[in-house]
Amino acid sequence: GEKVEQHESTLSVREGDSAVINCTYTDTASSYFPWYKQEAGKSLHFVIDIRSNVDRKQSQRLIVLLDKKAKRFSLHITATQPEDSAIYFCAANYNQGKLIFGQGTKLSIKP
Amino acid sequence: ETAVFQTPNYHVTQVGNEVSFNCKQTLGHDTMYWYKQDSKKLLKIMFSYNNKQLIVNETVPRRFSPQSSDKAHLNLRIKSVEPEDSAVYLCATQGPEVFFGKGTRLTVV
Repeated sequence: GEKVEQHESTLSVREGDSAVINCTYTDTASSYFPWYKQEAGKSLHFVIDIRSNVDRKQSQRLIVLLDKKAKRFSLHITATQPEDSAIYFCAANYNQGKLIFGQGTKLSIKP
Repeated sequence: ETAVFQTPNYHVTQVGNEVSFNCKQTLGHDTMYWYKQDSKKLLKIMFSYNNKQLIVNETVPRRFSPQSSDKAHLNLRIKSVEPEDSAVYLCATQGPEVFFGKGTRLTVV
């Protein structure tokens, strides 16, 4: 079946450095790739997405890259801040728009 | 701003009981979902509901059933809960983006 693999289960970076989280997907028909952030004790909050008609999208400190050939996409958080600490989930759409999620990456920002 | 409302926030119950969780969305979206998030934070889709069409994930046990009165509501009923049902149940709605409610944490003792 369709899968989304999130490669880093945990990631620790120093405040101010960049963090990169990588995901791969299996469904060649996938065309929509959102990212969600989940802070401790809270629900998932949409942060950024990318569609298959582009290979790069930026929103302030967040950059998403998409490599359709490799079926890989990544989230780059630049100039990290303590409030970036959370679990980040990547996702890809399949079968009429439903989302399948990666396993989550726990990002810790160290002072 | 919250647009997907779930109740209750928490629920503790005994094995074998029946529970029901509510979800309401105010975004006017046609599609709603229930996801289960386990203790390892893994997210699994359980149901999707669009224009009165229900799509069930084939791995969902039959004791789970969604209930919808209109496109703004999609409730989740669990008949005879089991210990492995302990999890956070997340309701979501989809326009271009998917928006999640705050979740209902179920603990089965």
